[in-house]
Amino acid sequence: GESVGLHLPTLSVQEGDNSIINCAYSNSASDYFIWYKQESGKGPQFIIDIRSNMDKRQGQRVTVLLNKTVKHLSLQIAATQPGDSAVYFCAGEGGAGSYQLTFGKGTKLSVIP
Amino acid sequence: DVKVTQSSRYLVKRTGEKVFLECVQDMDHENMFWYRQDPGLGLRLIYFSYDVKMKEKGDIPEGYSVSREKKERFSLILESASTNQTSMYLCASSLFHGTLGNGYTFGSGTRLTVV
Repeated sequence: GESVGLHLPTLSVQEGDNSIINCAYSNSASDYFIWYKQESGKGPQFIIDIRSNMDKRQGQRVTVLLNKTVKHLSLQIAATQPGDSAVYFCAGEGGAGSYQLTFGKGTKLSVIP
Repeated sequence: DVKVTQSSRYLVKRTGEKVFLECVQDMDHENMFWYRQDPGLGLRLIYFSYDVKMKEKGDIPEGYSVSREKKERFSLILESASTNQTSMYLCASSLFHGTLGNGYTFGSGTRLTVV
């Protein structure tokens, strides 16, 4: 089955610097990945997604990179702000016919003013 | 703005009680999900539904059941609450399977404590 994990449980970044959060997955059939942000006391919020036929997708201040060869994806946040402090989850969908997302355990991003 | 609404933010129930967690979405989404979130374990799928009156077991369905009588409402039922069901419960919905830009939308969560 799918296994999605994150490399680091916590990450501290200086305000204004770029942040990189990494995630590895095990199911090579996964064809859709999502990054979520969860602030304290709130539900996860969709940030950006990517399909397996892409290797990069950009949003506003965020970029997701997908490396299918090593089954790795990353979330890059440019010019990190205090409001970016949260737990970030990657999630993978299990391939054709699967409705389920499997989530990584999350990385807590702390922004140092 | 699209919304997934969970009826309670905090609940305290006694062991053995029957507990209902309600979730309503206003986006006409086909798919709805119930997850629980625990420290160190992340989000784990309990049940999901891809249509009215349809339900599928997720990874940890034991001790839970669900009901989807209407498209917009997905209820999670703890038949006899136990202390190991103390957790944050998150409801989510999605429009299409794996379509870019249509990631799952989550509710704010219900923090359930069973004493």
